[in-house]
Amino acid sequence: RKEVEQDPGPFNVPEGATVAFNCTYSNSASQSFFWYRQDCRKEPKLLMSVYSSGNEDGRFTAQLNRASQYISLLIRDSKLSDSATYLCVVPYSSASKIIFGSGTRLSIRP
Amino acid sequence: NAGVTQTPKFQVLKTGQSMTLQCAQDMNHEYMSWYRQDPGMGLRLIHYSVGAGITDQGEVPNGYNVSRSTTEDFPLRLLSAAPSQTSVYFCASSTTGLAGRDEQFFGPGTRLTVL
Repeated sequence: RKEVEQDPGPFNVPEGATVAFNCTYSNSASQSFFWYRQDCRKEPKLLMSVYSSGNEDGRFTAQLNRASQYISLLIRDSKLSDSATYLCVVPYSSASKIIFGSGTRLSIRP
Repeated sequence: NAGVTQTPKFQVLKTGQSMTLQCAQDMNHEYMSWYRQDPGMGLRLIHYSVGAGITDQGEVPNGYNVSRSTTEDFPLRLLSAAPSQTSVYFCASSTTGLAGRDEQFFGPGTRLTVL
């Protein structure tokens, strides 16, 4: 099993819709998790961090399910500007390697 | 602060050539790392460093060397370029790498083509 696996997408949803995607991880000792956003041909940038059960920031909610070892990202009232690739990040077991998922591509249509 | 800077932005090499990708940060971050990103593959960790003088291998280290003589700089060397190394390379830094609790700050990337 890969260290970090994501829904590959692409997700193509209309503006205003709610969309959610998951990220599963294999390292049960991981304590912190992150979602990064990457626009086309740009560098990734931090979107949200998840240290306990979840985190909410405006239209974005990140949740953690430790029992099933996955994190999710929920986007409500999606905007055209939300179109991007979303990467989940999980620290590797050595705590110094930081492994990225392969990303979920999201496209919001008018 | 300039953040994380990378040079060059674009590079074309011939098979067998060597080169160094430069990465520098001015945030006094201890942790620095190099990733490569290929279509559909996400970001894969090449090498990382938890401080000056300390480096370690990531997921895909073969064909690459690194050194960390200062806190600010973390160059990535391609010893003998191969077409399989055609990719976009990102350098990143964070305050510490411990427990991965810190935000990673990325440079703008270097787009490398090996012919």
